[in-house]
Formats: sequence, C-alpha cells, structure tokens
Amino acid sequence: DGGITQSPKYLFRKEGQNVTLSCEQNLNHDAMYWYRQDPGQGLRLIYYSQIVNDFQKGDIAEGYSVSREKKESFPLTVTSAQKNPTAFYLCASASGLYGYTFGSGTRLTVV
Amino acid sequence: AQKITQTQPGMFVQEKEAVTLDCTYDTSDQSYGLFWYKQPSSGEMIFLIYQGSYDEQNATEGRYSLNFQKARKSANLVISASQLGDSAMYFCAMRDLMNYGGSQGNLIFGKGTKLSVKP
Repeated sequence: DGGITQSPKYLFRKEGQNVTLSCEQNLNHDAMYWYRQDPGQGLRLIYYSQIVNDFQKGDIAEGYSVSREKKESFPLTVTSAQKNPTAFYLCASASGLYGYTFGSGTRLTVV
Repeated sequence: AQKITQTQPGMFVQEKEAVTLDCTYDTSDQSYGLFWYKQPSSGEMIFLIYQGSYDEQNATEGRYSLNFQKARKSANLVISASQLGDSAMYFCAMRDLMNYGGSQGNLIFGKGTKLSVKP
C-alpha cells in the first residue's frame, strides 16, 4: 500500500544533541512537508520541498535542517539550536488537487 | 496573509445527533481550496472533505458535509449521526499557493476543535 512512513514514533533528545526524524513516501509525490504541532495549536510549517534537491524554509525553520536527495525521502534534523524542540512532528506529501497525505508522526521529547 | 480561524476549542455532542464545527478563513486569492482533517488521539491526520472555491455545490462525503458560504468566508463542517469514534480533534485548513508557490503550495491550519461524542 502507498503511504508515508515516519520513524521513530517516539524520540528522546538530550540537551545539546542533534536528532534526525525520518520521512519516506512511496506515493511518487513531488512535494513534501514537515510540520510541528504543539498542544492546543494547529500545524505550523517548518520546511517544504517541491522537487528533489530543492527545499524552502517555512514559518518556523530556525533550529531545523532538511535534505531532499531522493524523491522518496525528506529527513528532518532537529539541531541543538532549537531551544524548545519538544513537540509532535508530522511529515506530509502532496500531489494533485487535494492529494495531501500525512504520516503518523514522531513525538519528540527533550530529557 | 492567509488565515484560518476555528473559534470552538471544544464541542460536545450526543451520539446519533448532528454537530457543526465552525471555520472561517481569510484570503485575497480568488482560487483556493478548503480542507477538513480529523486527528484522533493516535496523531495521524485523516482527510475528510475538500471544497474548491469555484465549486457550486457544497461538498459531501458520507456523513460529512461542508457548509460553504463564500460571501461570509466560512466553511463549516457538519457531521451527521455522530458516532463515538468521531471523538477527535478536527482541523480546518486552506491551501496557500500565493505565498508558498509551486503546484501544491502549503496548507494553512486553524487551531482545531476537540469534539467529544457522549454515549
């Protein structure tokens, strides 16, 4: 079945540590996105990519980095510069008029 | 700037009754798309329904319908015959092509409404 796979489901980060969240899709979608969700908030865009080897900052990109070396993959790195990384992270891909598909998310906690 | 407003942080509905979740939007685009998603406690975002700005008919998908009032810039979700499994967060979103470009743009989300269905 086609879809988006995010891993891990839960991730714990120590202070000053970089961590990478994985996002893989087999839908052949060109566009991919990373969103952050905090309690009581909607989703906010971190980074997005409309095509391989190209990506753009979203609304809250500080402290995050991404790469898009393959169409299927769009990993997100949460760097030590992100001072408040505890949140729920959702990856999505899109194609067509309303073809947004979301992964099941990664819950990141700072310990 | 594009904006989605959901004014109901939480709603209760009795099982088998209908419920309306409010959504208003702000955009200067003439062509736009509006989405509703359901997010259960497990976290995944489930697509429910889509309405294009030029669609003359209100969108319907099973028990979900969208009450689209373009002049009022509202796109309320109506869930008929509520079920216990409908208890979840519901998000209204709008596709923003103007500020994010490409063929897909980006989805702008409201803060959501938590729906609780009572037995």
